[in-house]
Amino acid sequence: EAQVTQNPRYLITVTGKKLTVTCSQNMNHEYMSWYRQDPGLGLRQIYYSMNVEVTDKGDVPEGYKVSRKEKRNFPLILESPSPNQTSLYFCASGTGGDYGYTFGSGTRLTVV
Amino acid sequence: AQSVTQPDIHITVSEGASLELRCNYSYGATPYLFWYVQSPGQGLQLLLKYFSGDTLVQGIKGFEAEFKRSQSSFNLRKPSVHWSDAAEYYCAVGKGGYQKVTFGTGTKLQVIP
Repeated sequence: EAQVTQNPRYLITVTGKKLTVTCSQNMNHEYMSWYRQDPGLGLRQIYYSMNVEVTDKGDVPEGYKVSRKEKRNFPLILESPSPNQTSLYFCASGTGGDYGYTFGSGTRLTVV
Repeated sequence: AQSVTQPDIHITVSEGASLELRCNYSYGATPYLFWYVQSPGQGLQLLLKYFSGDTLVQGIKGFEAEFKRSQSSFNLRKPSVHWSDAAEYYCAVGKGGYQKVTFGTGTKLQVIP
């Protein structure tokens, strides 16, 4: 089944403790992206990647890192999480803008 | 910079009634436009997209949208709403190819019997 898989689905962590949210897709998509979703703000793009080793900042990249060493994986790294990064995170992949994205099921992160 | 405005935060319609969700965009060239739906606790699913050709596009679940360049709009419509259509709907605009896609803040649809 074609899908984007995020792990974990839920995560509660403490301020400053490094964490990684994984994202993997099995559709051989070149394009991958991370979004955060907050009430009243919709989805805001954190980072995106156009192919292996090619990444760029979205609208809200501060406090996040990404890497794209393999085509299928695009992990999101929070080196020192803070409470304002409490949010619902979505990974998405696609073959290009004209085909739209396939989204993962989301990761709900709480930083206390 | 590209942007999307969904002026209606929340809309309530009766089951069987028609629906129109508004979307206005700001973009420097011919945009790639999308509508996504998010059911509670789920990820987003693509309903339809427009990037060229016929300005009236058909999507899944009986939805359609019309691109109006003169009004910078891409409104989503459905002639008869079903209770299962209750969800949050997002309009998005992108450059196409592998470039950035910007989402609106969403419109929450409530369907009453």
